[in-house]
Amino acid sequence: AQRVTQPEKLLSVFKGAPVELKCNYSYSGSPELFWYVQYSRQRLQLLLRHISRESIKGFTADLNKGETSFHLKKPFAQEEDSAMYYCALSGLGMEYGNKLVFGAGTILRVKS
Amino acid sequence: SQTIHQWPATLVQPVGSPLSLECTVEGTSNPNLYWYRQAAGRGLQLLFYSVGIGQISSEVPQNLSASRPQDRQFILSSKKLLLSDSGFYLCAWSVDGYGYTFGSGTRLTVV
Repeated sequence: AQRVTQPEKLLSVFKGAPVELKCNYSYSGSPELFWYVQYSRQRLQLLLRHISRESIKGFTADLNKGETSFHLKKPFAQEEDSAMYYCALSGLGMEYGNKLVFGAGTILRVKS
Repeated sequence: SQTIHQWPATLVQPVGSPLSLECTVEGTSNPNLYWYRQAAGRGLQLLFYSVGIGQISSEVPQNLSASRPQDRQFILSSKKLLLSDSGFYLCAWSVDGYGYTFGSGTRLTVV
């Protein structure tokens, strides 16, 4: 079964401090991992995906298959990073509609 | 451009009443469509997904049903709402499977 665990419901950091939002997954195959973000009063939107190996808004995430983790990191937090962050996994193919399984989400609060 | 419309934004319904939430997509063809429910502390739970017209897959047994009468239309329904159906419902679409686009959501309160 596919499962995504985000152990922290809330992460509070000061502006300029490093940020690491934890995500662990359970899946026996080769997963595709994503991070989604929901800012206040905005729609849930894709932040980044591991296959792109990109940095978006200063955030990066590396897939660690040994530790089955996909932690989201940013070296210096900004106040506008405050939002709800969801880690998500897609393991099944097109015949299963490329379903995404989401974690419970972590609220990031960046304090000034 | 590709857009997704979801309505209504908020809805208050009495227990036992029917439900119909609609989601439509523009600017794409043959998308995969999804209904999720977002609950505090529980994240996003996939309710239904559809890979084509008339094709519906249910993820969890519940008091809800879904239909896809047209390629870009996805409807979430119930014949009789329960208090436990209250929540925030999100529609989403995907074409390549590597990124979902979400609607703005519907806040349903069953009283």
